[in-house]
Amino acid sequence: EIVLTQSPGFQSVTPKEKVTITCRASQSIGNSLHWYQQKPYQSPKLLIKYASQSFSGVPSRFSGSGYGTDFTLTINSLEVEDAATYYCHQSSSLPWTFGQGTKVEIK
Amino acid sequence: EVQLVESGGDLVQPGGSLRLSCEASGFTFSSYGMNWVRQAPGKGLEWVSHITSSGTIHHADFVKGRFTISRDNAKNSLYLQMNSLTDEDTAVYYCARAASSSLNCFENWGQGTQVTVSS
Repeated sequence: EIVLTQSPGFQSVTPKEKVTITCRASQSIGNSLHWYQQKPYQSPKLLIKYASQSFSGVPSRFSGSGYGTDFTLTINSLEVEDAATYYCHQSSSLPWTFGQGTKVEIK
Repeated sequence: EVQLVESGGDLVQPGGSLRLSCEASGFTFSSYGMNWVRQAPGKGLEWVSHITSSGTIHHADFVKGRFTISRDNAKNSLYLQMNSLTDEDTAVYYCARAASSSLNCFENWGQGTQVTVSS
């Protein structure tokens, strides 16, 4: 099973700051890495697919990069509405797995 | 607009069974892989099961033959039959649509249905 390790686990950020979340895979997964946002009491929403492709309707301040084992989700100029937990997910090999999540709080 | 509506969640005793349903609309259901993903209280996301557009099935190891995913393309519906439930199965269960028949990011999610296993 491929283990995804996210860091940090928690981040408290001021609006307009830049946020960087990393996801490290226990073995190479190519670009089969996706990012989701989950706000309290809501379902997850896809932000970035296949490491760097923005999903339809996602604000341009969200971007992704990486390949192989190391991936990054970047939120440029954080907005209050971005307070949420962010998860990475790999679909390279079964069983598909998620990272443990990164909670982003607004200061 | 893609819509996924789960139902069937309930309070059930340990050892009991439940059948979850997910009704899909707004897309050609038969052309997409579908998934169940769960989230235990205060915990992260956990993939449960996948069924391809052609009916090939994959389950997470923890299912251990207890759960079965299925689909009825004529009814635009996805199902999860859950047997031998334990308290560790308590979670919100989400139905999620894959990006395509071969691309397995989860593009669309339902609102979830709550399964509580308790005596």
